[in-house]
Amino acid sequence: AQSVTQPDIHITVSEGASLELRCNYSYGATPYLFWYVQSPGQGLQLLLKYFSGDTLVQGIKGFEAEFKRSQSSFNLRKPSVHWSDAAEYFCAVGAYESSDMRFGAGTRLTVKP
Amino acid sequence: DAEITQSPRHKITETGRQVTLACHQTWNHNNMFWYRQDLGHGLRLIHYSYGVQDTNKGEVSDGYSVSRSNTEDLPLTLESAASSQTSVYFCASSSGTQPNEQFFGPGTRLTVL
Repeated sequence: AQSVTQPDIHITVSEGASLELRCNYSYGATPYLFWYVQSPGQGLQLLLKYFSGDTLVQGIKGFEAEFKRSQSSFNLRKPSVHWSDAAEYFCAVGAYESSDMRFGAGTRLTVKP
Repeated sequence: DAEITQSPRHKITETGRQVTLACHQTWNHNNMFWYRQDLGHGLRLIHYSYGVQDTNKGEVSDGYSVSRSNTEDLPLTLESAASSQTSVYFCASSSGTQPNEQFFGPGTRLTVL
């Protein structure tokens, strides 16, 4: 079965600084990859997804992610973080033969003023 | 607008009691999922359904059951609540036969005393 590792439990960045959140997946074929964001007390919202094609995908709120097959990674990036980006971020991987997916443990982002 | 709702939003119950959490979606999605969210574990899949009368076990299904009698609803039942089932529960839905964006409900916070 597919699995996801998010190595960083908590990251703190200053407002205006760049951000990179790491995600490593385990799956034998080409995965379906997702990044979700969860604001405090809320459900999850999709930021972006990768199924195939261009390995650099753009999402909402100025986020992007790059699929690197050789590194089994799908890292999330943002060039300039805003205070409103403080939230929990989840990477998820799905397999083509089913509709379910597996989530990582999440990375909590704190933004310093 | 289409949406996915969960009820109740908060529930306190006692060990050994049966509890049912409701999930209702108006997206007309075939796929519905139940997750639990615990610190350090991210979201873990409990049960999922690909359509009416279809149910499947996820990673952490022991002590939980679901039934799918229509497209819109997937109630989650804790047969005999245990303190280890204290958690935040999220319902989600998606369309298609392959991994796709899942739309999440607002969550139910369950406390088992």
